[in-house]
Amino acid sequence: EAGVTQFPSHSVIEKGQTVTLRCDPISGHDNLYWYRRVMGKEIKFLLHFVKESKQDESGMPNNRFLAERTGGTYSTLKVQPAELEDSGVYFCASSRTGTAQPQHFGDGTRLSIL
Amino acid sequence: GEDVEQSLFLSVREGDSSVINCTYTDSSSTYLYWYKQEPGAGLQLLTYIFSNMDMKQDQRLTVLLNKKDKHLSLRIADTQTGDSAIYFCAESSNSGYALNFGKGTSLLVTP
Repeated sequence: EAGVTQFPSHSVIEKGQTVTLRCDPISGHDNLYWYRRVMGKEIKFLLHFVKESKQDESGMPNNRFLAERTGGTYSTLKVQPAELEDSGVYFCASSRTGTAQPQHFGDGTRLSIL
Repeated sequence: GEDVEQSLFLSVREGDSSVINCTYTDSSSTYLYWYKQEPGAGLQLLTYIFSNMDMKQDQRLTVLLNKKDKHLSLRIADTQTGDSAIYFCAESSNSGYALNFGKGTSLLVTP
């Protein structure tokens, strides 16, 4: 089966601009997660979708970040306006529903804000 | 939030065993995971263990869990140069699906 795919792999934008990241989960996975790793820090949870619904968005840093998963398939994460501290690697993961279903990660999007 | 701690760097010789350690603070941690990240790639799930288990073995990988001390380790037998990567320890609790990661341990395997 195809893995989790993320697009773009790398994005360089200027402070104040808008960027949209996309994640396509593994087919059949109802759970979709966004994480990010800021330079030198841990990988931090951002939010969790179950199908099209936000199950947990406790990790979203502020209202400049908007995640959507219309139709319960792919998801987008928009940052508007981007700030310097938003630079990092944004990972998407997906999993089946059920006890201890492991999360499978994409290769990540490296976001650089200049 | 809850903490997951790992040593940042480990260097071993090819053919030796590697042991990567992890400690966590959340007593409600139910599932503990090891992920591997090679340069430029995403996180690859290596193995995971339930908190009611002490040990899990999968080919060259052995996971040991000391729930009392909240200590998790990953042993790689006969370490190869292809094992050089960053290894992340992660935990999740019954209360949610979010994974809580450590900073990762960079494993360098020298010939």
